[in-house]
Amino acid sequence: DTGVSQDPRHKITKRGQNVTFRCDPISEHNRLYWYRQTLGQGPEFLTYFQNEAQLEKSRLLSDRFSAERPKGSFSTLEIQRTEQGDSAMYLCASSLAGPSGSYEQYFGPGTRLTVT
Amino acid sequence: GNSVTQMEGPVTLSEEAFLTINCTYTATGYPSLFWYVQYPGEGLQLLLKATKADDKGSNKGFEATYRKETTSFHLEKGSVQVSDSAVYFCALREGGKLIFGQGTELSVKP
Repeated sequence: DTGVSQDPRHKITKRGQNVTFRCDPISEHNRLYWYRQTLGQGPEFLTYFQNEAQLEKSRLLSDRFSAERPKGSFSTLEIQRTEQGDSAMYLCASSLAGPSGSYEQYFGPGTRLTVT
Repeated sequence: GNSVTQMEGPVTLSEEAFLTINCTYTATGYPSLFWYVQYPGEGLQLLLKATKADDKGSNKGFEATYRKETTSFHLEKGSVQVSDSAVYFCALREGGKLIFGQGTELSVKP
């Protein structure tokens, strides 16, 4: 069990550019979550998948944000036309849902995005 | 909607002091409750959980009891160590997602 991994760990981009982050969940986990955390705040939910299906999206997730999990394994989060307000830590988590699952969410180290 | 409120930090204690970090929640029904910890430079880690009223979660000397009467889930530890210095987050589960409090920073001095 290697845990949840995220790539890159840090990203600096100019306003208006597009960025994409990747998350690899714990291998047997069927749910994958994205959260955003700004300095001094708790994580805020963005979206989550069960296998390939995106089950819920927060209204925080504007049209510039899109997430995919095409094969039910890794996921990508893309932000188009980045704004300075997008600067934050983007966290990924995974869990095992179902009769034998605990639903406990395990978090990755995060990707820190800085928009200049 | 559902929400979580934590006591503001930072909290500064001397080693071996007693710790309480207050957490209250607003929710429909009785959601599962969690404490997560974030050590400096590391990711969020699940510290403990409680899934129903009167449950007590415990781990690494930390405890929290699910109190539906007071809608609270306060985190306690009898004797803190310098290594407990971290940010602590209280959270509840709403459907598939977690709703977090704003976090409480704990600093333990030797």
